[in-house]
Amino acid sequence: EIVLTQSPGTLSLSPGERATLSCRASQSLSSSYLAWYQQKPGQAPTLLIYGASTRATGIPDRFSGSGSGTDFTLTISRLEPEDFAVYYCQQYGSFLLTFGGGTKVQIK
Amino acid sequence: QVHLVQSGAEVKKPGSSVKVSCKASGDTFSRFTLSWVRQAPGQGLEWMGRIIPILGMTNYAQKFQGRVTITADRSTSTAYMELSSLRSEDTAVYYCARSSGTYEPTNSWGQGTLVTVSS
Repeated sequence: EIVLTQSPGTLSLSPGERATLSCRASQSLSSSYLAWYQQKPGQAPTLLIYGASTRATGIPDRFSGSGSGTDFTLTISRLEPEDFAVYYCQQYGSFLLTFGGGTKVQIK
Repeated sequence: QVHLVQSGAEVKKPGSSVKVSCKASGDTFSRFTLSWVRQAPGQGLEWMGRIIPILGMTNYAQKFQGRVTITADRSTSTAYMELSSLRSEDTAVYYCARSSGTYEPTNSWGQGTLVTVSS
């Protein structure tokens, strides 16, 4: 199984600041089959980014994804109050999907 | 737009089994894949396995091999996840989640089902 390692575990930032989240895969992901999800307390995850860099329908353009191979990044250009949540990466390029451990973005 | 509705919360004894259902509406059931993902209290997301209803094909995470069974009833557009030999560490919210195809991300989620394992 492909292991995804997210860093940092927690990111403490203020509204308006830029957030940079990292996801590293234990082996190269074919065709950048990497997605990012946002999860708020008590809710199911929401798809933000797929194919490493394509925003899902309705996702604001302050969210962007980049990377290829084994290293991927989610960037939130200017944090809005509703962006404070937990973010997960997921690879879906193998028959066995996996999630990263998550990064919590909290208010500083 | 696909809508996934899961069965209600369950309380189970250690050693028993639980079966959670996930009914889909709004799209052709057989065209997509259906994964099961769980989340223990305060923990991250854990992919358990999936089924491709039109093929009846399943894939299971190594951690759950032999203990989880995912099935689908195409006539009722319902998928099921059965987990056996329950232990306290299986206490979690269990989600079903849909992908448009084999190499697609999960883009629709059920509301989650809380399974509590307690003696």
